[in-house]
Amino acid sequence: QKEVEQDPGPLSVPEGAIVSLNCTYSNSAFQYFMWYRQYSRKGPELLMYTYSSGNKEDGRFTAQVDKSSKYISLFIRDSQPSDSATYLCAMSVQNNDMRFGAGTRLTVKP
Amino acid sequence: GAGVSQSPSNKVTEKGKDVELRCDPISGHTALYWYRQSLGQGLEFLIYFQGNSAPDKSGLPSDRFSAERTGGSVSTLTIQRTQQEDSAVYLCASSLAFGADTQYFGPGTRLTVL
Repeated sequence: QKEVEQDPGPLSVPEGAIVSLNCTYSNSAFQYFMWYRQYSRKGPELLMYTYSSGNKEDGRFTAQVDKSSKYISLFIRDSQPSDSATYLCAMSVQNNDMRFGAGTRLTVKP
Repeated sequence: GAGVSQSPSNKVTEKGKDVELRCDPISGHTALYWYRQSLGQGLEFLIYFQGNSAPDKSGLPSDRFSAERTGGSVSTLTIQRTQQEDSAVYLCASSLAFGADTQYFGPGTRLTVL
């Protein structure tokens, strides 16, 4: 079993839809949770960063962490074609030894 | 150019040849990380540097892989006697300090071993 599981998709939604991206994990010691966005042929860029459980909102993006279920989510409201990218979840125990999911490829159609 | 840069952006090589991949971190960043990204596999952590020191090399896939960092800045990842399974995108990231919350990634080097 992989430490971090993420459905690779692909996921295709119409513009304006709410997108839900998820990851599950097995290591209960993870306490730093991140979402990265990666455009084609570019390096990943940090989108959201959460420590421990709870919600964090930044504009159209909301990150949720449920440590009891070992489940994290990223919601994108009012999705735009420019949101089309691969979204990678990442998590770590000590904020340096990151473990990444496989990434979910998202396409938002105009 | 304030970001992390990597060179070359693409590298095609023949099986058995050695390759060297270069990473220029953001100026002032003391921590540097190497990852490998294979299709559908996500990012695989390879090695990190604190300054010029790499305390843990256990993430390197085999003894054909080595990395060094000089002057607390530029790092090179060397793959000797390349194999087809080494084909992947090799990503470098840097952060202000080891354990800092934000790692800034470079665009990667796409390695193809024929």
